[in-house]
Amino acid sequence: SQKIEQNSEALNIQEGKTATLTCNYTNYSPAYLQWYRQDPGRGPVFLLLIRENEKEKRKERLKVTFDTTLKQSLFHITASQPADSATYLCALHNTGNQFYFGTGTSLTVIP
Amino acid sequence: GAVVSQHPSWVICKSGTSVKIECRSLDFQATTMFWYRQFPKQSLMLMATSNEGSKATYEQGVEKDKFLINHASLTLSTLTVTSAHPEDSSFYICSARAEGLLRNEQFFGPGTRLTVL
Repeated sequence: SQKIEQNSEALNIQEGKTATLTCNYTNYSPAYLQWYRQDPGRGPVFLLLIRENEKEKRKERLKVTFDTTLKQSLFHITASQPADSATYLCALHNTGNQFYFGTGTSLTVIP
Repeated sequence: GAVVSQHPSWVICKSGTSVKIECRSLDFQATTMFWYRQFPKQSLMLMATSNEGSKATYEQGVEKDKFLINHASLTLSTLTVTSAHPEDSSFYICSARAEGLLRNEQFFGPGTRLTVL
């Protein structure tokens, strides 16, 4: 069966540290993968997109890697801040042009 | 740019009634819109893909006669929950895909909280 799993339901880290979130998938062959941020009671906000032929993408304090052999993406937030506290979702784009979301990881950055 | 709005932002209705939720792309045209449902502490589950001028494509397990989708124009899609029941209470989120350079991105609406009593 198809699955998209994110490493843990909740992750707590100290301010200033690097947060690393994992997205693992099975039985998908995504052309690209996206990461979103979702705050409580709000819709997701797009952060980064990485294609299957790209190993790494960066945007300010964010970095995403994509390993199609391991079927895994890692999402890093460096120099984390309390304002980074939110739920982070990975999403796969399949050949039918739909997006399927992972289970989400709730990140809390402790001051 | 690329703003998507939803209306209403929240609605409470009685069991057995129908509720319509609107999704609009405000500053771009969207040939494709998506409808998702999200239960508390769970991820977004794709319900259906809506294409302008044609019938929506529903995901497995989603009743098309219960969740009616109309994509009447390039900026508006509606989801009607018919004969709503308490188990339909959820957070409904739409997204729209922009054409052109941003076509790989989905822009999400703020969501609609539905509570069925």
